[in-house]
Amino acid sequence: AQSVAQPEDQVNVAEGNPLTVKCTYSVSGNPYLFWYVQYPNRGLQFLLKYITGDNLVKGSYGFEAEFNKSQTSFHLKKPSALVSDSALYFCAVRAASNDYKLSFGAGTTVTVRA
Amino acid sequence: NAGVTQTPKFQVLKTGQSMTLQCAQDMNHEYMSWYRQDPGMGLRLIHYSVGAGITDQGEVPNGYNVSRSTTEDFPLRLLSAAPSQTSVYFCASKRTPGQPYEQYFGPGTRLTVT
Repeated sequence: AQSVAQPEDQVNVAEGNPLTVKCTYSVSGNPYLFWYVQYPNRGLQFLLKYITGDNLVKGSYGFEAEFNKSQTSFHLKKPSALVSDSALYFCAVRAASNDYKLSFGAGTTVTVRA
Repeated sequence: NAGVTQTPKFQVLKTGQSMTLQCAQDMNHEYMSWYRQDPGMGLRLIHYSVGAGITDQGEVPNGYNVSRSTTEDFPLRLLSAAPSQTSVYFCASKRTPGQPYEQYFGPGTRLTVT
């Protein structure tokens, strides 16, 4: 069975500091990995994805994520956080061979203080 | 493009009542899906469809029915509402099954069953 773990329920950082949101996954075969962000009372918005190739993936709003196959991790990063980055972040995984089941982590609430 | 739309935004039901949550997309996406979001559990897949006339069960299908008579619409029916179905429901779509495209999410329906 495939699964995603986001070990931190909450991450608090000061504006201008680096932001990291952790994600580890379990899946059979090659993974496709995604990060989504949810602002209050809104649907999820796509940030970035890893399919194949370069382990460092760049996405929307200055976010990037690093795929690490040996550690089965896909941590989301931003070099300098903004107050507007405060939101709920979800990591998701699916097996490359199975299009029909995308598994989400429980989510990490990010709070960026001014 | 309106993207993915959902109605209603909020709904309160009594135990045993039935209702239909509406979802529509105007992007000509083949794949559509329904998720429920519960605190601390991320999003869980209820049902999905890979095209008109084709539906299948996800992770938590019990108590829900779906149909897909057109590419644009994918309604979710609650047959006999139970308090355990209190949740936020999201509809999502993506371009083509079998390809690693990201999903587009609707704004959600907040359902309370008393």
